Amino acid sequence: GQSLEQPSEVTAVEGAIVQINCTYQTSGFYGLSWYQQHDGGAPTFLSYNALDGLEETGRFSSFLSRSDSYGYLLLQELQMKDSASYFCAVGKSTFGDGTTLTVKP
Amino acid sequence: GAVVSQHPSRVICKSGTSVKIECRSLDFQATTMFWYRQFPKQSLMLMATSNEGSKATYEQGVEKDKFLINHASLTLSTLTVTSAHPEDSSFYICSASPPHSYEQYFGPGTRLTVT
Repeated sequence: GQSLEQPSEVTAVEGAIVQINCTYQTSGFYGLSWYQQHDGGAPTFLSYNALDGLEETGRFSSFLSRSDSYGYLLLQELQMKDSASYFCAVGKSTFGDGTTLTVKP
Repeated sequence: GAVVSQHPSRVICKSGTSVKIECRSLDFQATTMFWYRQFPKQSLMLMATSNEGSKATYEQGVEKDKFLINHASLTLSTLTVTSAHPEDSSFYICSASPPHSYEQYFGPGTRLTVT
């Protein structure tokens, strides 16, 4: 079977840095994706890691370690609009349960 | 980025009726599209993979006769919820990826309420 584990909730203050971890167990692995979903909206693609290392896109970065079956999403200079749910995913079929990020002033 | 549209955004129907949801890739062709459902505060559950010109591939536990999928063109896939019941009330989301891209683009979703 396939499963991904991520924390259910994270809280941080504006301007801070937050890291959302994701560990996975999959029978086949081609890469780890991250999505953001605001309440009532659809997911939007944030990043994809196929190889080990850090991928940086503006304030968001994503890291992957294939040997550890582990990845994380790093959000810097947090803004109120970053309050949302964040999902890690493997392929098109397996999503984590999501991490609700609350950014406080 | 690529755009995927979905229609309608909201629909309320009576129990026993059927509802059709359309998913379109607006600026790219998609031989494959994906249909998900999502209950409040839960993750996305893949229901089926829609394949242009051939039958859809359904995930385990998803009734193919209840959730009819048609992918008649490279830019349009439809999901029909047949004989809807209140337990079918959910948020239905489609997605597609441009050719040779790992990025997955989601439609805005359809909130279905069955009364």
